[in-house]
Amino acid sequence: GAVVSQHPSWVICKSGTSVKIECRSLDFQATTMFWYRQFPKQSLMLMATSNEGSKATYEQGVEKDKFLINHASLTLSTLTVTSAHPEDSSFYICSATPGDRWATDTQYFGPGTRLTVL
Amino acid sequence: ILNVEQSPQSLHVQEGDSTNFTCSFPSSNFYALHWYRWETAKSPEALFVMTLNGDEKKKGRISATLNTKEGYSYLYIKGSQPEDSATYLCAFISGSSNTGKLIFGQGTTLQVKP
Repeated sequence: GAVVSQHPSWVICKSGTSVKIECRSLDFQATTMFWYRQFPKQSLMLMATSNEGSKATYEQGVEKDKFLINHASLTLSTLTVTSAHPEDSSFYICSATPGDRWATDTQYFGPGTRLTVL
Repeated sequence: ILNVEQSPQSLHVQEGDSTNFTCSFPSSNFYALHWYRWETAKSPEALFVMTLNGDEKKKGRISATLNTKEGYSYLYIKGSQPEDSATYLCAFISGSSNTGKLIFGQGTTLQVKP
């Protein structure tokens, strides 16, 4: 089956620092990658959608200058949380899809990254 | 705001019991519904993608039905096993989306006792 890895699985950082999270599709080329976050007792919420070689599309309320997304290749997307603050502490998870049938193609998820900002 | 509701929030059953849970979503402008199983510390695993009203899909002991006119989907597990313990997520895609945006419910957490 299609495998997506995510690194790191957890990270603790000081307020004001930047953190980079990597999402890789290991055995397929991902035309589209998605970044979600989940706050405690809430649903997974889409932050942004990225396509290889183009700028990410951010959901309403997500600051693009704070959450930098780079989809440099068909197997790698990165999310950088810049100048992280305690309110950015959350569970971040990526997904990737190999196809171009955006609604009916399965999204394959990574295992997620737990970010704690002190 | 598009809302996806799942019930119950959690469920405890004995091994061998059959169980089912519900996903409710907006009935207007439906495009697709996805079901995932998410075990602790693992990646969510895709179960089904459903698109047509009346769809019924099956994977082993797990099956799902879809009613787009009334806006609900049921997930059934026949003869639950301890390895079925997980959180089951449904996610809705609206016809007005052109990006594959999944709108998730909060999930139903199933615990199967041996």
